[in-house]
Amino acid sequence: DAGVTQSPTHLIKTRGQQVTLRCSPKSGHDTVSWYQQALGQGPQFIFQYYEEEERQRGNFPDRFSGHQFPNYSSELNVNALLLGDSALYLCASRTQLTGEGTEAFFGQGTRLTVV
Amino acid sequence: AQSVAQPEDQVNVAEGNPLTVKCTYSVSGNPYLFWYVQYPNRGLQFLLKYITGDNLVKGSYGFEAEFNKSQTSFHLKKPSALVSDSALYFCAVRREGGSARQLTFGSGTQLTVLP
Repeated sequence: DAGVTQSPTHLIKTRGQQVTLRCSPKSGHDTVSWYQQALGQGPQFIFQYYEEEERQRGNFPDRFSGHQFPNYSSELNVNALLLGDSALYLCASRTQLTGEGTEAFFGQGTRLTVV
Repeated sequence: AQSVAQPEDQVNVAEGNPLTVKCTYSVSGNPYLFWYVQYPNRGLQFLLKYITGDNLVKGSYGFEAEFNKSQTSFHLKKPSALVSDSALYFCAVRREGGSARQLTFGSGTQLTVLP
């Protein structure tokens, strides 16, 4: 059973560019969340998608946007990249079927470096 | 609002000794509490959770955690540490019910087990 998979694993972008990160949730999971983990810090919640809609958003600017597809996979888009966007971006998936207390499973992350 | 504090950035323990990684939380209402472990350049791996019931929860790799409602704490413990337990540990909280769907993480504790 494949877990949460993210692509690419690493990428380097130039300030001002746009980037798209991709996530396939664990089999059977319908909810995808994205987190940003800056160096030396804990993950910070960006947003969550369920039923192809953004359900909740953290304290991130509109430059961060996302999408969820009918197969539950998800994309994170970041426009007008800033040096401060350099971080590990983590995708997490869970299922709503087993209740609120169900744990989230994380992918290995995408390391984004903005130069 | 919900928050997590991990008061120790670094914990060192000798192999074979018991280990404790501390976590306190703040949330309105009942908490769902989680511990995750992160190895270098990897995503987060789920260890254990408290949802309801017995205050002592057991998880993967011999880890356990004790929920203390009066002290709003959820410390991670292991009776006998292994060198392979050396990693970055994150405590996280989510509020039961309501609109808060995201996990809020602490800043992490680097555990080093010395041979």
